[in-house]
Amino acid sequence: DIVMTQSPLSLPVTPGEPASISCRSSRSLLHSNGKNYLHWYLQKPGQSPQLLIYLASNRASGVPDRFSGSGSGTDFTLRITRVEAEDVGLYYCMQALQLPLTFGGGTKVEIK
Amino acid sequence: EVQLVESGGGLVQPGGSLKLSCAAAGFTFRGSPIHWVRQASGKGLEWLGRIKRTGDEYATAYAVSVEGRFAISRDDSKNTAYLQMNSLKSEDTAVYYCTRLGDYDALDIWGRGTMVTVSS
Repeated sequence: DIVMTQSPLSLPVTPGEPASISCRSSRSLLHSNGKNYLHWYLQKPGQSPQLLIYLASNRASGVPDRFSGSGSGTDFTLRITRVEAEDVGLYYCMQALQLPLTFGGGTKVEIK
Repeated sequence: EVQLVESGGGLVQPGGSLKLSCAAAGFTFRGSPIHWVRQASGKGLEWLGRIKRTGDEYATAYAVSVEGRFAISRDDSKNTAYLQMNSLKSEDTAVYYCTRLGDYDALDIWGRGTMVTVSS
């Protein structure tokens, strides 16, 4: 199975400041088609997960442009340019290169 | 409105069975692979399994932790997928989500989840 490792576990942020979350995979997620099968999700308190970023760097429909994803192979980053109060929750990366689909352990973003 | 709605959760004794349903609306269900994911209280997300669409012969695949105990099926005429859970253990206690594998192999539509508690 592909192991996904996120850091940090917890991320206290000040509104208006940037934030960054790292995700590493135990094997490359770069497919021969040139796409990285890495997705990012946000689970707001009391809600189900929602897709933020697909294929490492593409914002899902309706996702604000303050969210961006980057990386390739085994190292990926989710960035928020200016954190807003509504961004609090658990952020997960997930690999979709092979079954079983596996998730990172999650990063809890909270407001200072 | 595009949505998935799970139902069928509840309290069940260890060793018992439960069948969850996942009703879809607002998108072409028959063309969509459906996955199940669970989340124990205060824990992360765990993939359980998936069922492909009709064109892929409804192929199923499961996580090792549930292989042989859980079974996924679907009825495209009812726009509904199912998760049959047998030989339930206390560690199966969790919120169970159904989710669609959309374009780009991303889980892009999620239900609100249904709670399953396995306890005597």
